[in-house]
Amino acid sequence: DTGVSQDPRHKITKRGQNVTFRCDPISEHNRLYWYRQTLGQGPEFLTYFQNEAQLEKSRLLSDRFSAERPKGSFSTLEIQRTEQGDSAMYLCASSPLNTEAFFGQGTRLTVV
Amino acid sequence: AQSVSQHNHHVILSEAASLELGCNYSYGGTVNLFWYVQYPGQHLQLLLKYFSGDPLVKGIKGFEAEFIKSKFSFNLRKPSVQWSDTAEYFCAVKTGGFKTIFGAGTRLFVKA
Repeated sequence: DTGVSQDPRHKITKRGQNVTFRCDPISEHNRLYWYRQTLGQGPEFLTYFQNEAQLEKSRLLSDRFSAERPKGSFSTLEIQRTEQGDSAMYLCASSPLNTEAFFGQGTRLTVV
Repeated sequence: AQSVSQHNHHVILSEAASLELGCNYSYGGTVNLFWYVQYPGQHLQLLLKYFSGDPLVKGIKGFEAEFIKSKFSFNLRKPSVQWSDTAEYFCAVKTGGFKTIFGAGTRLFVKA
């Protein structure tokens, strides 16, 4: 499968724990995005990378959230000290320049 | 701030009925417009897109959408729906080159 790959697909964690998600974009895509989707809502933009540079972060991304794309290929999204309000589907997408984004299956996070 | 509004959260139709899903956006500049579809248990997939040119855009599976700039609208249509069209549909707008903003989605259920 040459699409966007996310790991894990599901994560259940206790409140206060740290979690890290991984995204492998389509190989030739230099743009990578993270979105969050909660029930009944569309995806909400979190952050964007062009190659290894993080060019924009949404104000939704509190200080507990950090994203990296160290070599301009895969990306990680870390949430520290998770809270119940962090429970959501975390979506990764990638694109070449100036076309539509291609989405992965998402990582469903449940904080208990 | 840019926003996308989808008129209906839930739509129920019988097979062979015609479909129109409304979408309006708020942004005065140049936009790229998209409709994505999410079938049960699957990732977001592009249905169709508008970047420039003919405002009537044809997508996959018999869907089409019309961009009406004066109304800031990009409504999705299909003349005859099938049971397999049961899914959630998201209208999205890209402004400023990279960030895509999504509507809240419309859940379509087609009765066989």
